[in-house]
Amino acid sequence: ETGVTQSPTHLIKTRGQQVTLRCSSQSGHNTVSWYQQALGQGPQFIFQYYREEENGRGNFPPRFSGLQFPNYSSELNVNALELDDSALYLCASSLDRLEPQHFGDGTRLSIL
Amino acid sequence: KQEVTQIPAALSVPEGENLVLNCSFTDSAIYNLQWFRQDPGKGLTSLLLIQSSQREQTSGRLNASLDKSSGRSTLYIAASQPGDSATYLCAVRPTDSWGKLQFGAGTQVVVTP
Repeated sequence: ETGVTQSPTHLIKTRGQQVTLRCSSQSGHNTVSWYQQALGQGPQFIFQYYREEENGRGNFPPRFSGLQFPNYSSELNVNALELDDSALYLCASSLDRLEPQHFGDGTRLSIL
Repeated sequence: KQEVTQIPAALSVPEGENLVLNCSFTDSAIYNLQWFRQDPGKGLTSLLLIQSSQREQTSGRLNASLDKSSGRSTLYIAASQPGDSATYLCAVRPTDSWGKLQFGAGTQVVVTP
């Protein structure tokens, strides 16, 4: 059974650019959640997708958007990148909405 | 608004000593509380999950307690080893937000040989 995999592992962008981060869920999981973790902080909830629909959103602006595909893989898109978007982005999948979340190793995004 | 706090922010102990990590939360309306371990630059590994109706959970050298009414959880790690060096995070799942885990900032632990 493969775990949650995220790509790329590292990414460098400049202010104003757009970025897409990808997540492959654990087999059989229909729910994916995304978190942003700034250095020295705990992860902050961005949003959750359940069966391809958004199922909850944290305090993030609309330039953070997501998609979940029929195979339950997922994307996080961020437009108009700002310096404060520099962080580790974590994806977590779960069997269902309230089941325990299994985390990937994250994508480290640096904004110059 | 739910707030999760972990004290201390950092802790250094000699090998063999027991570790005690604290987590407090302001709103008792939670489904469960979970403890995670995070190694530098890595994702989160779940250690223990305690449902809101439970008082404690144990796994090997790890024991976590939950007092929902007072908004506190404690993670005990017995006979610490250098391999236990990591950041430990607690997270609650609020009942008013299905998908969300709300995390504390973590306690960074160093176990010296």
